[in-house]
Amino acid sequence: EVQLVESGGGLVQTGRSLRLSCVTSGFTFENYAMHWVRQRPGKGLEWVGGISWSSTNVAYAASLKGRFTISRDNSKNSLFLQMNRLQTDDTAVYFCAKPLTLVRGVLDSWGQGVLVSVSS
Amino acid sequence: DIQMTQSPSTVSASVGDRVAITCRASQGVGTNLAWYQKKPGKVPKLLIFGASVLQTGVPSRFTGSGSGTDFTLTIRSLQPEDFATYFCQHTDIYPYTFGQGTKVDIK
Repeated sequence: EVQLVESGGGLVQTGRSLRLSCVTSGFTFENYAMHWVRQRPGKGLEWVGGISWSSTNVAYAASLKGRFTISRDNSKNSLFLQMNRLQTDDTAVYFCAKPLTLVRGVLDSWGQGVLVSVSS
Repeated sequence: DIQMTQSPSTVSASVGDRVAITCRASQGVGTNLAWYQKKPGKVPKLLIFGASVLQTGVPSRFTGSGSGTDFTLTIRSLQPEDFATYFCQHTDIYPYTFGQGTKVDIK
C-alpha cells in the first residue's frame, strides 16, 4: 500500500523558515518524480513544485520560486520542502503527492497534509 | 505560465442531476488534463487523467472530454457523495497549474 506521511508543519512567524518532510513507502520512490501541492484556507489547490527522480530537474510555481526549495533523499524514500522568508499568505495545508506510473504530473497518491500557519 | 479557468465557480444541483464543469486553458495543453475531487478535510482524489481516462475505481458516471484548450467534466446522475469541489489541472509543461475550483453543492 502506498503511503505518504508529511511532517514538520506548525506555527511560525513571518520571515522565518520551515522544512517539511514527506516519508514514503509502498512504492519504489527513486523511480518517481514527486510533487508538493498546497491549499490555503478557503482557497483552491495550488501546485507548489515538483522534482524529478534524480533531482536533476526541479520546478516551482512562479510565485514561490526563490523562497521554496524542493529536495529528496532516495536512500530514505523522503521528499522535502524548505520554505524560507515565510509570509502570512503561505498559511496552508501542504500535501506531498506521487504521480501515476508513466503519466507525468497526474497525482494519484497523496499524503494526509500538514498545516503550516504563518503569523505576524 | 498556463492559466486554467473553470466555470462555473459554484453549481447547485440535486441528486440525479447531470452536472457539467468546464475548464479552459490559456494555451493548448493537448490532452494533458486531469480532474480531481476535493472534500473538506480529505485529500484530493484523482478522477480523470489524459482528459478522458477514468482512474481505476472511479464510478463511470464521471466522464471527461476535450483537448487543446477546452475541457469538460460531466457527472451523470449526481449522487450524494459527489457533493464536493472539483479541480482541473494541466500537466503539459511546468508549472502544472490548477483551476480555481468548482463547488458542487446541494440545491
